[in-house]
Amino acid sequence: DAKTTQPTSMDCAEGRAANLPCNHSTISGNEYVYWYRQIHSQGPQYIIHGLKNNETNEMASLIITEDRKSSTLILPHATLRDTAVYYCIVRVAQAVSGRRALTFGSGTRLQVQP
Amino acid sequence: SAVISQKPSRDICQRGTSLTIQCQVDSQVTMMFWYRQQPGQSLTLIATANQGSEATYESGFVIDKFPISRPNLTFSTLTVSNMSPEDSSIYLCSVDKDRVGYGYTFGSGTRLTVV
Repeated sequence: DAKTTQPTSMDCAEGRAANLPCNHSTISGNEYVYWYRQIHSQGPQYIIHGLKNNETNEMASLIITEDRKSSTLILPHATLRDTAVYYCIVRVAQAVSGRRALTFGSGTRLQVQP
Repeated sequence: SAVISQKPSRDICQRGTSLTIQCQVDSQVTMMFWYRQQPGQSLTLIATANQGSEATYESGFVIDKFPISRPNLTFSTLTVSNMSPEDSSIYLCSVDKDRVGYGYTFGSGTRLTVV
């Protein structure tokens, strides 16, 4: 799995967009960018993933740069419930990965302020 | 989809004792994963449990300390043996299946405090 770099922490005002960056300069052509988050006292939760096109679902949007060396997770209207640690993980597709466990880096601690 | 029931949710244990954590999945899965999350830290993989075979442990984790059982495709246990205060952590199980088919599902974790 490619190495990722994320800021240690970020703050965001409630109702504003939260933009969480992730650098993955050594990403391979067949590796996807996955985002998970861990709300306090809970297990990590899948948010979104993408290969090279921008993706959007009911939780968030994922913007991947054209060279695929970095990406940004966007929570369009952050709420207090979005306060969590966000993990960016780069790896091959689940069907190809041979059912290997996820590897977590340090993540970004997002604090949504009222 | 997969729903994981993990228990106990928390426990306070005396040093030198053992605790067995259970993880029940509502559907059959091939692989189950056990993680440790020390206070303020990220998740660290302990071992991978494949039904019908011995668990595969990561560097720094040994079977004598963290024995794992995987009797069928929906259940696994992790035992933390001969506990010391350094074992105080959150322990989580995970499977490579979720409701959308792309991600992994995690249990809610077991918060262990060793006194």
